[in-house]
Amino acid sequence: QKEVEQDPGPLSVPEGAIVSLNCTYSNSAFQYFMWYRQYSRKGPELLMYTYSSGNKEDGRFTAQVDKSSKYISLFIRDSQPSDSATYLCAMSAGETSGSRLTFGEGTQLTVNP
Amino acid sequence: DARVTQTPRHKVTEMGQEVTMRCQPILGHNTVFWYRQTMMQGLELLAYFRNRAPLDDSGMPKDRFSAEMPDATLATLKIQPSEPRDSAVYFCASGLRTGSAGNTIYFGEGSWLTVV
Repeated sequence: QKEVEQDPGPLSVPEGAIVSLNCTYSNSAFQYFMWYRQYSRKGPELLMYTYSSGNKEDGRFTAQVDKSSKYISLFIRDSQPSDSATYLCAMSAGETSGSRLTFGEGTQLTVNP
Repeated sequence: DARVTQTPRHKVTEMGQEVTMRCQPILGHNTVFWYRQTMMQGLELLAYFRNRAPLDDSGMPKDRFSAEMPDATLATLKIQPSEPRDSAVYFCASGLRTGSAGNTIYFGEGSWLTVV
């Protein structure tokens, strides 16, 4: 069983929809939780970063962490075609910069105009 | 605009040939990672360095892969001999470990390797 599980999709939604992306994990030591966005033929870029449990909002994006359930989510409001990408969750037991990240396999999202 | 630079961007080589991928981390970053991405396995950590010293290379097949940091501005990943199953995208990433939360790692654009 993988340490981090993520539904690979693909997920297709109409423009303006609310998108929910999720990951579950098994390692209780994970404290830092991130979401990366990866456009086709590009490297992953950091989208959201959260420490421990709680919510964090940044514009149309909201990240939620529930450590008791070992479950994290990313919500995208008013989705746009430019949001079409693969979204990867990532986690770390130590401080994120300089500590190894364990990634989910990514969810491919398409937002249709 | 600081970024991680990787070369080559694309490489097609024949089985058995040596492949060397290079990475220039963001200036001032003291931690460098090599990841491999495939459709089947997703992103896998191969190795990482801090202050040029290897910290973990357990994800790397030792018999054919080697990773080094000759200096603070260059990291290399070498495959010798290459095999078709090595076909993947290889990402370099760098970060700065400062002891405070809130930092993260930054990825390069990747080296797309095809071994035929």
